[in-house]
Amino acid sequence: DTAVSQTPKYLVTQMGNDKSIKCEQNLGHDTMYWYKQDSKKFLKIMFSYNNKELIINETVPNRFSPKSPDKAHLNLHINSLELGDSAVYFCASSQNTGGGTQYFGPGTRLLVL
Amino acid sequence: AQSVTQLGSHVSVSEGALVLLRCNYSSSVPPYLFWYVQYPNQGLQLLLKYTTGATLVKGINGFEAEFKKSETSFHLTKPSAHMSDAAEYFCAVSDDLRGGKLIFGQGTELSVKP
Repeated sequence: DTAVSQTPKYLVTQMGNDKSIKCEQNLGHDTMYWYKQDSKKFLKIMFSYNNKELIINETVPNRFSPKSPDKAHLNLHINSLELGDSAVYFCASSQNTGGGTQYFGPGTRLLVL
Repeated sequence: AQSVTQLGSHVSVSEGALVLLRCNYSSSVPPYLFWYVQYPNQGLQLLLKYTTGATLVKGINGFEAEFKKSETSFHLTKPSAHMSDAAEYFCAVSDDLRGGKLIFGQGTELSVKP
């Protein structure tokens, strides 16, 4: 039973399109995150939600909008996709912030053409 | 501000040899330190973490790391490398003040030669 799942696993789209990535965790955790991994494998936090409330927004362009319908789900919607958005996007969850272990999903590989 | 530096973007060892992956951090408050492993085309898996208490931390797959506050280091070691250890390894830091976000190092790719 997958702890943190993401859909889709792969996403290929044209510049200017709008796309969404979904994330679900079945661990009962209160906090969820989105990270971006670039082509050099560098990982950077984008957003974090705690109990459906946004707690971290790391200077991400406002074309990116996270939505948390409940604490088990954190979706990422991206408007007007650009070439530079091509990356792997990872969802993660943890029971608490600070020293809590973050459990990562398998990633969504986004390619913008 | 927090930061993490991993020395060496690529480390190559022979099977059976010692694995040493270096990580230095910067943090103005007591840090929480993590090592994650990423196998090709997969997500990240926690190897081990330091929060408080014993500074020598044991993790999965025979890995361990020692938190050295005076050296601001958290190096990862394994006495004997196995072919299955070949992967990308990430050191990360967080604390109680920043909502739990992980600040990652740039990663170290470990290759294991037969």
